[in-house]
Amino acid sequence: DTEVTQTPKHLVMGMTNKKSLKCEQHMGHRAMYWYKQKAKKPPELMFVYSYEKLSINESVPSRFSPECPNSSLLNLHLHALQPEDSALYLCASSQSGRQRETQYFGPGTRLLVL
Amino acid sequence: AQSVSQHNHHVILSEAASLELGCNYSYGGTVNLFWYVQYPGQHLQLLLKYFSGDPLVKGIKGFEAEFIKSKFSFNLRKPSVQWSDTAEYFCAVNAPRLGYSTLTFGKGTMLLVSP
Repeated sequence: DTEVTQTPKHLVMGMTNKKSLKCEQHMGHRAMYWYKQKAKKPPELMFVYSYEKLSINESVPSRFSPECPNSSLLNLHLHALQPEDSALYLCASSQSGRQRETQYFGPGTRLLVL
Repeated sequence: AQSVSQHNHHVILSEAASLELGCNYSYGGTVNLFWYVQYPGQHLQLLLKYFSGDPLVKGIKGFEAEFIKSKFSFNLRKPSVQWSDTAEYFCAVNAPRLGYSTLTFGKGTMLLVSP
């Protein structure tokens, strides 16, 4: 089973709202990732968690706050977003976060910020 | 820092035509290379990957790619495309950053196959 699930599929939020995106995998992977994909653009890395520890933050604004409660779950807390943050947010996982690994992607959450 | 360049942003082919999508990467060390596909409305799926060994890699749905180290290239090929191959194709390189695995994607190639 190489499935990564993400909820919700779609999210519309105002600039003053607080919402969270959720990602789950049951492959026993110890590394999880958040990517942002704007329309007609490639995914761009936001965060890397390895063994529940934040390992890489690609200078993402603080209005995005990741959380890894356990090895199977990854959340992205959103607060005071801007319309330009509207995008597809992709979660991925891999075995441990080291090289020579394949990342498996979830279907994404399509976010619209009004 | 690593980078990936895909030669074509859009490719239009008729069914049964042969396909070759170009991908060049920039990274001086050992790389792992991937092709992912994103069908309309669906998530990124792995087509194939190269880690080491035989530079000719076979993937799912009849796709293959050849790693040419001297040219820093990893081109994707399929001898005969089908309408169902209509999708966006991303080449990606996985090179370590701060000891961790990070993927850098090319800008993608949108393939449209007409029946």
